[in-house]
Amino acid sequence: GESVGLHLPTLSVQEGDNSIINCAYSNSASDYFIWYKQESGKGPQFIIDIRSNMDKRQGQRVTVLLNKTVKHLSLQIAATQPGDSAVYFCAEIRGGKLIFGQGTELSVKP
Amino acid sequence: GAGVSQSPRYKVAKRGQDVALRCDPISGHVSLFWYQQALGQGPEFLTYFQNEAQLDKSGLPSDRFFAERPEGSVSTLKIQRTQQEDSAVYLCASSSGRGERINTEAFFGQGTRLTVV
Repeated sequence: GESVGLHLPTLSVQEGDNSIINCAYSNSASDYFIWYKQESGKGPQFIIDIRSNMDKRQGQRVTVLLNKTVKHLSLQIAATQPGDSAVYFCAEIRGGKLIFGQGTELSVKP
Repeated sequence: GAGVSQSPRYKVAKRGQDVALRCDPISGHVSLFWYQQALGQGPEFLTYFQNEAQLDKSGLPSDRFFAERPEGSVSTLKIQRTQQEDSAVYLCASSSGRGERINTEAFFGQGTRLTVV
């Protein structure tokens, strides 16, 4: 079936470096894509979203890029900090529902 | 409260036991969602309420799963005759958003971790 998935299950970066988390999706009929951060024992926390008619959106230290041609979404975190360590999920809104991918675990080394 | 509150945080049930999981949404939030998150996986949609109306229950995995929100505020997810495959974290989210913002403005609770033994 159609799904939202991630290229890498784990990512380890040095504190201060930039992080890039990738996501591939297979359904082109989605209106929105969202990135979530989920820390251990907590629920997903909204980071940033992007509409399907955009290709880039920036927030505080984060940038989301959407490439509809290859159905690829990425989250860039600038100057990664230990507090950024978590599992990151991309999700699409399809039919009024959130469809989550499997997640990438980001580990930040001090 | 300031956020979505779920109780209990942890629940251990014997196989065949019935369980009830509670969600207290953010005050005034019209929309409420339940998700199931298996270990190492992303959350999966179970059901959606707008006020007291259950508008979508397409994600409920079987007729053993039942959700209600009788007064349009607190919601309860009930699982009857629990089985080991029901072991997961059950997340609740609420939103004040309308239309396409319902999901982008949703806040999640910490979840209830259900373990069926």
